[in-house]
Amino acid sequence: EAGVTQFPSHSVIEKGQTVTLRCDPISGHDNLYWYRRVMGKEIKFLLHFVKESKQDESGMPNNRFLAERTGGTYSTLKVQPAELEDSGVYFCASSRGTGARGDYGYTFGSGTRLTVV
Amino acid sequence: GQSLEQPSEVTAVEGAIVQINCTYQTSGFYGLSWYQQHDGGAPTFLSYNALDGLEETGRFSSFLSRSDSYGYLLLQELQMKDSASYFCAVRLSGGYQKVTFGTGTKLQVIP
Repeated sequence: EAGVTQFPSHSVIEKGQTVTLRCDPISGHDNLYWYRRVMGKEIKFLLHFVKESKQDESGMPNNRFLAERTGGTYSTLKVQPAELEDSGVYFCASSRGTGARGDYGYTFGSGTRLTVV
Repeated sequence: GQSLEQPSEVTAVEGAIVQINCTYQTSGFYGLSWYQQHDGGAPTFLSYNALDGLEETGRFSSFLSRSDSYGYLLLQELQMKDSASYFCAVRLSGGYQKVTFGTGTKLQVIP
């Protein structure tokens, strides 16, 4: 099966501009997650979709970030306007379910490296 | 809140054994996972401990002790390709079951 695909792999934008990141999860995976790693620090949770619904968006840093998942398929994460501190690697992950027991792991995409200058 | 602490960097010699520790302050989680991430790559799932004790998968083993709020990843017969960042992670029980990652350990394997 195809893995989680993210686009673009790299993006360099100026402060104040808008950037949209895209994630295509594994087909059939209802759960889609966005994470961010800044400056080699921990991988921080941003939000979680179950199909097209936002299940948990407690990690979204502020209202400059907007995530959508149209029709429960691919997801986009828009940053508008971008600030310098938004630079980092944005990862998307998907999983089939969130069973009460067991964790067979997320499948991550390779990430989008965002640089805001 | 929840936090998972790891050493920031570890250096080990090719062929040796290295242990990467993870101490946590959280409650109510299903188990402890480990992920590996090479520079520029996707984090990949390595192992999962649902119960206390040792889980072995080839050269990698992972351990969990809930009473000590502690776990570790053990890498044996180190190879140069094992140089990467390693993250422990927990899936919180209840609520939305999101996975929370540790601070990450950058492992450098030297000849």
